[in-house]
Amino acid sequence: DTEVTQTPKHLVMGMTNKKSLKCEQHMGHRAMYWYKQKAKKPPELMFVYSYEKLSINESVPSRFSPECPNSSLLNLHLHALQPEDSALYLCASSQDRAGSGANVLTFGAGSRLTVL
Amino acid sequence: GEDVEQSLFLSVREGDSSVINCTYTDSSSTYLYWYKQEPGAGLQLLTYIFSNMDMKQDQRLTVLLNKKDKHLSLRIADTQTGDSAIYFCAERSNYQLIWGAGTKLIIKP
Repeated sequence: DTEVTQTPKHLVMGMTNKKSLKCEQHMGHRAMYWYKQKAKKPPELMFVYSYEKLSINESVPSRFSPECPNSSLLNLHLHALQPEDSALYLCASSQDRAGSGANVLTFGAGSRLTVL
Repeated sequence: GEDVEQSLFLSVREGDSSVINCTYTDSSSTYLYWYKQEPGAGLQLLTYIFSNMDMKQDQRLTVLLNKKDKHLSLRIADTQTGDSAIYFCAERSNYQLIWGAGTKLIIKP
């Protein structure tokens, strides 16, 4: 299995809703990432987990809350989002601990989020 | 801060070679990457090159690295309609990737 699976593919939510994005990989990767991508822009790093511990938080607002229940799963909990948070949210994983080796990232197909 | 620059668009005829260029600023970068993103999809790694190499070839893809000029290029031979996508260059700087803005490759019949 060489894939990163993200669910749901599309999500529409109101500003008062609570929802979650999910990510799963079974490649034995020990680093997992959340990126946010706006249309026609490069991805922006949000969070990095290394060995199930949060190692990087790129000053992301607290309305985004990551969780890594185990080495295969990564969640992003969403609460009280704003319309400007609408974007494609990409999950990625890499075999190496963040910062070492080639650290090739394997990306999921993304979850497209629309906040009304 | 560190920066990666790419031109935003490249238009080529089907069957021709495409050359996508990228410049970066961090001279201590260890790895440089090319990712492809098709519409509505995630990013797919095409290839990467270690900074002590100057060329890497993989089927239709050739990566050239000029470390002195901090210039990276991706050549796609015999460009096909399926190559239509946005191509992102990225450099590894410290613990994270610094991304270029992406080059949209447009294929003309």
